[in-house]
Amino acid sequence: EPEVTQTPSHQVTQMGQEVILRCVPISNHLYFYWYRQILGQKVEFLVSFYNNEISEKSEIFDDQFSVERPDGSNFTLKIRSTKLEDSAMYFCASRPRDEKLFFGSGTQLSVL
Amino acid sequence: DQQVKQNSPSLSVQEGRISILNCDYTNSMFDYFLWYKKYPAEGPTFLISISSIKDKNEDGRFTVFLNKSAKHLSLHIVPSQPGDSAVYFCAASALGNNRLAFGKGNQVVVIP
Repeated sequence: EPEVTQTPSHQVTQMGQEVILRCVPISNHLYFYWYRQILGQKVEFLVSFYNNEISEKSEIFDDQFSVERPDGSNFTLKIRSTKLEDSAMYFCASRPRDEKLFFGSGTQLSVL
Repeated sequence: DQQVKQNSPSLSVQEGRISILNCDYTNSMFDYFLWYKKYPAEGPTFLISISSIKDKNEDGRFTVFLNKSAKHLSLHIVPSQPGDSAVYFCAASALGNNRLAFGKGNQVVVIP
């Protein structure tokens, strides 16, 4: 069964460093997402991407965040200068035309 | 932002009995509702969904009930099995809106 794959599974970084989280969505999907879950809190929407551009973003997704789909298969989330509060599990997701999202296994980001 | 609320964070149930998970929402624009299941170290996986034109949707052991007037939905799992032990998230979206709003999740433990 096709699945969303995310790498790395764990990422440890120093505060102020840039990180890039990588995702390969399911190949025939049209919509791509990043969500995150801070430990003990709910899953939060960050950004959605459709037709090679951001279609919606949340208040969390400030200028420190950016997304790219550089080659038609990868979908990346970049955090330019990480903060302690960026520590979370980051989930990539994709979907076809209907509403059902398929999630990857997540990247656990730890900012020290 | 508490558009989707899941109270009673954890539930323990005997194998073979019914598990009932509840979810309330505040946004009257929501018209599509989903339940996701999450195991540790994995991403959420889609379980079942319901659109606002229905009040019930059944898929095997899983049934979702929607009460639009009360802005309430529930997930019934019967009979519960040990493999159902996971965190269950309620999620909702509005037509034309790209994002899913998630509840905080309910931990279900099925006791053999």
